[in-house]
Amino acid sequence: EIVLTQSPATLSLSPGERATLSCRASQSVSSYLAWYQQKPGQAPRLLIYDASNRATGIPARFSGSGSGTDFTLTISSLEPEDFAVYYCQQRSNWPPRVTFGPGTKVDIK
Amino acid sequence: QVQLVESGGGVVQPGGSLRLSCAASGFTFSSYGMHWVRQAPGKGLEWVAFIRYDGSNKYYADSVKGRFTISRDNSKNTLYLQMNSLRAEDTAVYYCAKDRQGDYDYWGQGTLVTVSS
Repeated sequence: EIVLTQSPATLSLSPGERATLSCRASQSVSSYLAWYQQKPGQAPRLLIYDASNRATGIPARFSGSGSGTDFTLTISSLEPEDFAVYYCQQRSNWPPRVTFGPGTKVDIK
Repeated sequence: QVQLVESGGGVVQPGGSLRLSCAASGFTFSSYGMHWVRQAPGKGLEWVAFIRYDGSNKYYADSVKGRFTISRDNSKNTLYLQMNSLRAEDTAVYYCAKDRQGDYDYWGQGTLVTVSS
């Protein structure tokens, strides 16, 4: 099973700052990596798919990069609504295997 | 706009059964695979099951195989999850999600299943 590791576990930043979140896979997942945002009491929302493609309606301040085993989600300038938990997910062995990372919480400094 | 609305959650005793439903609208339901994904309280996300657009193939996480059954009724635009032999570790919010080739582009709001005596 492919294991995803996310770092840091918590990122404390102020609005307007740049956020850089990391996701590392235990083996290559090519570009089959997605990022989701989840706010308290809400369902996850797809932000990025296939490592670098923004999903419908996602603001341009969100960008994804990477391939193989190392991936990054960047939020160029944090807005108040961006403070949330972010999960990465790989689908390289789909179907049926997918795995999620443990999440990175971005909170207000 | 795409809407997914889950229902059927509740409190059930260990060993009991529950059936979840997910009503879909805003897209051609019969053209897309669908998933169930769960999240235990305060924990991360876990994929549970997937069904192809026409119901021809179904896949399950090892943790639920043999106990849960995913199905769909394309005439009713509805996805189901029959959960039997429930355990305390099945306690979670269960989300239905629309497939985008193995990831999930739309999610419902979730329904809470609590397995407790």
